[in-house]
Amino acid sequence: AQSVTQLGSHVSVSEGALVLLRCNYSSSVPPYLFWYVQYPNQGLQLLLKYTSAATLVKGINGFEAEFKKSETSFHLTKPSAHMSDAAEYFCAVSDGLTGGGNKLTFGTGTQLKVEL
Amino acid sequence: DTAVSQTPKYLVTQMGNDKSIKCEQNLGHDTMYWYKQDSKKFLKIMFSYNNKELIINETVPNRFSPKSPDKAHLNLHINSLELGDSAVYFCASSQEAAAGPAQYFGPGTRLTVL
Repeated sequence: AQSVTQLGSHVSVSEGALVLLRCNYSSSVPPYLFWYVQYPNQGLQLLLKYTSAATLVKGINGFEAEFKKSETSFHLTKPSAHMSDAAEYFCAVSDGLTGGGNKLTFGTGTQLKVEL
Repeated sequence: DTAVSQTPKYLVTQMGNDKSIKCEQNLGHDTMYWYKQDSKKFLKIMFSYNNKELIINETVPNRFSPKSPDKAHLNLHINSLELGDSAVYFCASSQEAAAGPAQYFGPGTRLTVL
């Protein structure tokens, strides 16, 4: 079974400050890892994904995440927060099964607040 | 140009009614999913279809019946609605030719059962 733990259900940063959202995973097989963002009353938008090609993954909107196997972590960072980054962020893991068996297991989400 | 679309966006109904949610994707993907997001924003998979075949069927009450008429469409029919069915339902799609594909989500359908 796979699982994801997101530490901190709420994170607050000042505009221009570093954003760090934490994600730890548990998986019995090499994992595929994802970060999604959800703006109010909208669907989930893919920020970035890790599929074993490179441990540092760059995504959209200036976000990046680093896969650390030894720490079973996949933390999301952005050097400088912008007001438009305020949203709910979800980390997810899958085992990469093909043929329709590739279910995403999500963390409980982190609400990012950006203050002036 | 919407990649994954869902209708309706909002659905308000009485307990005991039957309702359907429709999903369409124009990405050419071969796999589609239904996820449920509860009031605490927790997301959990319900079903997946690959080339119109049901693959994943999590422990969902049999009042929920998905149907995939073709690869681009996946509908969700819910019988005898209960208060606990109130949630946001998301459709998603992916192309599963390679391992670890990303899933692309629709805008969601907010179901409220009164």
